[in-house]
Amino acid sequence: QTVVTQETSFSVSPGGTVTLTCGLSSGSVSTSHFPSWYQQTPGQPPRTLIYTTDTRSSGVPDRFSGSILGNKAALTITGAQADDESDYYCLLYMGSGIWVFGGGTKLTVL
Amino acid sequence: QVHLVQSGAEVKKPGASFKVSCKASGYRFTSYAIHWVRQAPGQRLEWMGWINAANDNTDYSHKFKGRVTITRDTSANTVNIELRRLRSEDTGIYYCAFGGTAYSNPFDPWGQGTLVSVSS
Repeated sequence: QTVVTQETSFSVSPGGTVTLTCGLSSGSVSTSHFPSWYQQTPGQPPRTLIYTTDTRSSGVPDRFSGSILGNKAALTITGAQADDESDYYCLLYMGSGIWVFGGGTKLTVL
Repeated sequence: QVHLVQSGAEVKKPGASFKVSCKASGYRFTSYAIHWVRQAPGQRLEWMGWINAANDNTDYSHKFKGRVTITRDTSANTVNIELRRLRSEDTGIYYCAFGGTAYSNPFDPWGQGTLVSVSS
């Protein structure tokens, strides 16, 4: 079964830029996987940041952007802020009515 | 505006079953999809399955197939998930999420989550 891969953890300085990626254990991520990205803080349900690769959800600051980089989906945070410190999950549609989440990336801002 | 409210916490013994409900409001219930996602303590999100409320079609993650059933009750605007033959590893928070009408739609919004504890 195909696994969706994410970096386990990442660190960024306040004001810095970080790119989190979402790949497949076999094959490439494309727009046909309808990549979406979610931010989760402890004790809360996930919050949608990006869907269909690069569409920002309502109310999401424009410092969050999505793209395809090479064979992976990517979430870029430009000008990171302290409250961006969260867990980030990507979600891919695998076809045939099946979705898979990545393992999540714990982002530290320091 | 779509709003999802889930039923309360459950405590179950290994081998038992649970059923968690997700009451929807703010949209035409029979037209959209609802997904279920699990999160074990300190672990990642896991997609469990979904129901297409337009036609009652369901799909499930291979991991849960055979143990999980998602159903809808149109009269109550509610989608339910049942998980059977529980084990301690099934302890976690279970979320429902609105899936819209297309595979490209994000999971949004989410219910508040329901904690299920499985322990002898």
